[in-house]
Amino acid sequence: NAGVTQTPKFQVLKTGQSMTLQCAQDMNHEYMSWYRQDPGMGLRLIHYSVGAGITDQGEVPNGYNVSRSTTEDFPLRLLSAAPSQTSVYFCASSASGIPTDTQYFGPGTRLTVL
Amino acid sequence: QQQVKQSPQSLIVQKGGISIINCAYENTAFDYFPWYQQFPGKGPALLIAIRPDVSEKKEGRFTISFNKSAKQFSLHIMDSQPGDSATYFCAASESGNQFYFGTGTSLTVIP
Repeated sequence: NAGVTQTPKFQVLKTGQSMTLQCAQDMNHEYMSWYRQDPGMGLRLIHYSVGAGITDQGEVPNGYNVSRSTTEDFPLRLLSAAPSQTSVYFCASSASGIPTDTQYFGPGTRLTVL
Repeated sequence: QQQVKQSPQSLIVQKGGISIINCAYENTAFDYFPWYQQFPGKGPALLIAIRPDVSEKKEGRFTISFNKSAKQFSLHIMDSQPGDSATYFCAASESGNQFYFGTGTSLTVIP
């Protein structure tokens, strides 16, 4: 059981470039989410999904797109990167999204936008 | 606007001492309050959680105290150990679909 995996671990982009952060889980979890972590800000929810084909916006969705075509994968797309998107990005999953389900976090992707 | 306010930002405790981290919230619809522990270079991991129908929950050396009327909750780490040195985040959720995190507390336990 690999749990929640994220690739890449590190990425440097130039302003205006696009990229996709990959997230996969092998626990057959229905709920998956993306957070960004910034110093002094804690973790903030970007987008989440309660199952394949269903996504919704979190607290800070602007500049990010998501889709969920399979239960296992939940990629996060930056269409035109901006320096304000420099952050550490975490993907998380839980069994069904009810509050008492444990959320499992991936190891993170550190993104720098120049 | 920060939905969950956390303090202190950093904390230094002697080995064997008690570490206390506080959080406060305004949204009375929040119904689940987890605490996460994060080591450098790792993702957060669930430590302990509480629902507002109980005032205290204890798991080993970790205790959550919950004050519903004051809209505050806190994490107590008894007999703190150097291995507890990490960043701790409180969080709150209304439906389980969205979690709001505090800004984090960096705990250092001095041997």
